[in-house]
Amino acid sequence: KAGVTQTPRYLIKTRGQQVTLSCSPISGHRSVSWYQQTPGQGLQFLFEYFSETQRNKGNFPGRFSGRQFSNSRSEMNVSTLELGDSALYLCASSSSTGGTGELFFGEGSRLTVL
Amino acid sequence: AQSVTQLGSHVSVSEGALVLLRCNYSSSVPPYLFWYVQYPNQGLQLLLKYTTGATLVKGINGFEAEFKKSETSFHLTKPSAHMSDAAEYFCAVSRGSGTYKYIFGTGTRLKVLA
Repeated sequence: KAGVTQTPRYLIKTRGQQVTLSCSPISGHRSVSWYQQTPGQGLQFLFEYFSETQRNKGNFPGRFSGRQFSNSRSEMNVSTLELGDSALYLCASSSSTGGTGELFFGEGSRLTVL
Repeated sequence: AQSVTQLGSHVSVSEGALVLLRCNYSSSVPPYLFWYVQYPNQGLQLLLKYTTGATLVKGINGFEAEFKKSETSFHLTKPSAHMSDAAEYFCAVSRGSGTYKYIFGTGTRLKVLA
């Protein structure tokens, strides 16, 4: 069974640009969550989706947005990039809706903003 | 509000020695607690979790953790360290039912000395 797939794995952008990151969950998983990982702030929750509905959103500015499609694939978008957006963005999926199941993480998309 | 504190951002142990990684949490509701491991350039992998029931939880790779409500702790242990245990370890807490909005600790990087 394929794991969580994130694309692209690495990307470089300049300030002011926008970026879209993609996540394909494990087949059959309908819960998808996104986290930002930085050396200074650690892992911070961005958002989570279940059946195309956003269930929770973390404390990030409106420049960060996401969505989930009917096939459970998810995308997140960051507009008007800032230097501080440089981070590893991790997507995770779960077969459980309840929050107690195992989260399976992808390898992440590493974004560098110059 | 929930929070997690991991004492010691770096821990070094000799191969074969006891591994003890500390995690204290704060939660206004009965917490769900998790330990994840991250190897270089990879996503996070679940080691073990406590939701309800037995307070001593056994996980993969010989790790275990004990939920101590009176001490608000969930320390991770392994009797004998192996070189392959070198990685970064994250403790996380959630409200549980209905969400994968985890609060992660800042991580502890474990180094295993030959």
